[in-house]
Amino acid sequence: QPALTQPASVSGSPGQSITISCTAASSDFGGYNYVSWYLQHPGKAPKLLIYDVSSRPSGVSNRFSGSKSGNTASLTISGLQADDEADYYCCSYMTTSPLGVFGGGTRLTVL
Amino acid sequence: QVQLVQSGAEVKKPGSSVRVSCKASGGTFSTYAIIWVRQAPGQGLEWMGGIIPIFGSGSFAQRFQGRVTISADESTSTAYLDLSSLRSEDTAVYYCARDRGIVPAADWGQGTLITVSS
Repeated sequence: QPALTQPASVSGSPGQSITISCTAASSDFGGYNYVSWYLQHPGKAPKLLIYDVSSRPSGVSNRFSGSKSGNTASLTISGLQADDEADYYCCSYMTTSPLGVFGGGTRLTVL
Repeated sequence: QVQLVQSGAEVKKPGSSVRVSCKASGGTFSTYAIIWVRQAPGQGLEWMGGIIPIFGSGSFAQRFQGRVTISADESTSTAYLDLSSLRSEDTAVYYCARDRGIVPAADWGQGTLITVSS
């Protein structure tokens, strides 16, 4: 299983943009070709923000965007809002089998 | 509208086993993957494994080899996670999540707290 490394914390002020990185040991993310991102507020279930590197499910704000370059995937949040303060997790997964791995998570603080 | 309803919280003794259920309503059950994820107190998310009901057998992360069984009952649209030889480190909230069409793990259950304590 690939190890996915995220920064432990990031912060930003309301209205600003921030980027959270997710780095794998290799560019194919250990053979788990797809990357998704989740948001989790304390005591709540995770919520899917991005899948297939850069696709957004219906209902997710376009303030959230994803990208990937080499062995690093990124989540960018633009126009930071107070409610964006949460934990964010990247995830690498397979589509041919229900297997995947999560990054360690990043705590976003909105100043 | 897909909804996943999980079984209730349980307290288990070390060495015992636990079964967590995840009942799906809405959408097609058999052909979309259901995964299991757990989160220990104050820790991050951990992918345990999953199943595509129509294929029968589940897949799981190597670290759970020999302790985890993932199954599904198509007749009741319910997935199950069985975890044996419980230890204190298994204390966590266990979530199920399901694909929504091509969108992976889009819908999540409410979580089930399993506490392992003597």
